[in-house]
Amino acid sequence: AQSVAQPEDQVNVAEGNPLTVKCTYSVSGNPYLFWYVQYPNRGLQFLLKYITGDNLVKGSYGFEAEFNKSQTSFHLKKPSALVSDSALYFCAVRGPFYNQGGKLIFGQGTELSVKP
Amino acid sequence: DSGVTQTPKHLITATGQRVTLRCSPRSGDLSVYWYQQSLDQGLQFLIQYYNGEERAKGNILERFSAQQFPDLHSELNLSSLELGDSALYFCASSRSMEDTQYFGPGTRLTVL
Repeated sequence: AQSVAQPEDQVNVAEGNPLTVKCTYSVSGNPYLFWYVQYPNRGLQFLLKYITGDNLVKGSYGFEAEFNKSQTSFHLKKPSALVSDSALYFCAVRGPFYNQGGKLIFGQGTELSVKP
Repeated sequence: DSGVTQTPKHLITATGQRVTLRCSPRSGDLSVYWYQQSLDQGLQFLIQYYNGEERAKGNILERFSAQQFPDLHSELNLSSLELGDSALYFCASSRSMEDTQYFGPGTRLTVL
């Protein structure tokens, strides 16, 4: 069965410092991985995805993610954090189409707090 | 703004009642997904429709049902509501099942 784990409930970073939000996955077959961000009282916003190809994926708002097959990880990164990056971040894996119609399976979320 | 719209934004109702949540997908998107977000369960997939047909079901209760209409909007019906149904309900849409899902702003349901 597909699953995603985000080992940290909260990540605290100082503004201007690099940030990493961790995600590990378990899939059968090729992984289709996603990162979404949720601001307070808002819906989920798509940041980036890995389907195939280059292991470093670039996304919105300066975020990027590194796919590591041997470590089954897909960590979200940003070279220089902004206070406005403070939000709830979700990693997700897409279920196989043949019986799960492409549904997303989400991790439990990581609260990112960036302090000035 | 993702282009996915959901109404209403907030819904407060009593136990035992029935409510309908509405979702309009992005223009051109054929697939609609419903998710429930709660503190204890996190984000859970409920059900998916593609071009009017049900394609996948998740942990959706029998008291809940959904449909996708010919104009591609979708409705999620929740009946015999219980306190534990209080949650944020999201709709997402995608052009096809392989494409990225874009989420609406959600409907916050409070059952008193």
